[in-house]
Amino acid sequence: QKEVEQDPGPLSVPEGAIVSLNCTYSNSAFQYFMWYRQYSRKGPELLMYTYSSGNKEDGRFTAQVDKSSKYISLFIRDSQPSDSATYLCAMTNFNKFYFGSGTKLNVKP
Amino acid sequence: DTEVTQTPKHLVMGMTNKKSLKCEQHMGHRAMYWYKQKAKKPPELMFVYSYEKLSINESVPSRFSPECPNSSLLNLHLHALQPEDSALYLCASSQSDLPLKYFGPGTRLTVL
Repeated sequence: QKEVEQDPGPLSVPEGAIVSLNCTYSNSAFQYFMWYRQYSRKGPELLMYTYSSGNKEDGRFTAQVDKSSKYISLFIRDSQPSDSATYLCAMTNFNKFYFGSGTKLNVKP
Repeated sequence: DTEVTQTPKHLVMGMTNKKSLKCEQHMGHRAMYWYKQKAKKPPELMFVYSYEKLSINESVPSRFSPECPNSSLLNLHLHALQPEDSALYLCASSQSDLPLKYFGPGTRLTVL
């Protein structure tokens, strides 16, 4: 079983839609949960992070962590074509850092 | 400022060439990393430097040789690479007490 599972997509939505991206994990010791956005042929950009459980909001983006279910989510409201990218979840317990496989998102105008 | 810079942006090299990739950060981060990323895959860790000392080498072939001249700079020396080493090479850095990694834009390497 992989430490982190993420649906690779691709996920195609119309502009203005609410997007939900998700990851599941198996290691209950993970404490930091991150979302990276990676445009084609560019480096990953740290979008948001959450420590332990709970929600965090930043503009159109909301990150949620449910440690009881070992499930994290990233919601994008009012999605824009500029949001088209691959979204990687990542998590760590300080000892090891794990990426999900990435979900490719396409927001159609 | 959360910027990590990498040079060059693109590199094409033959299997007998020697080249170097460079990475720089001025965020005061004391941990720096080299990652390799193939198309449609997540980044794979190659090396970790902590306080300018190599702390992790993920069984990377010796044709890749990392170097950390000071706390702001990280190099990756390349020699006798194979075509399968063609990939996006990413540098990242993080604070020693907060495991959030900040990535550079990467160097796209093609080995002919």
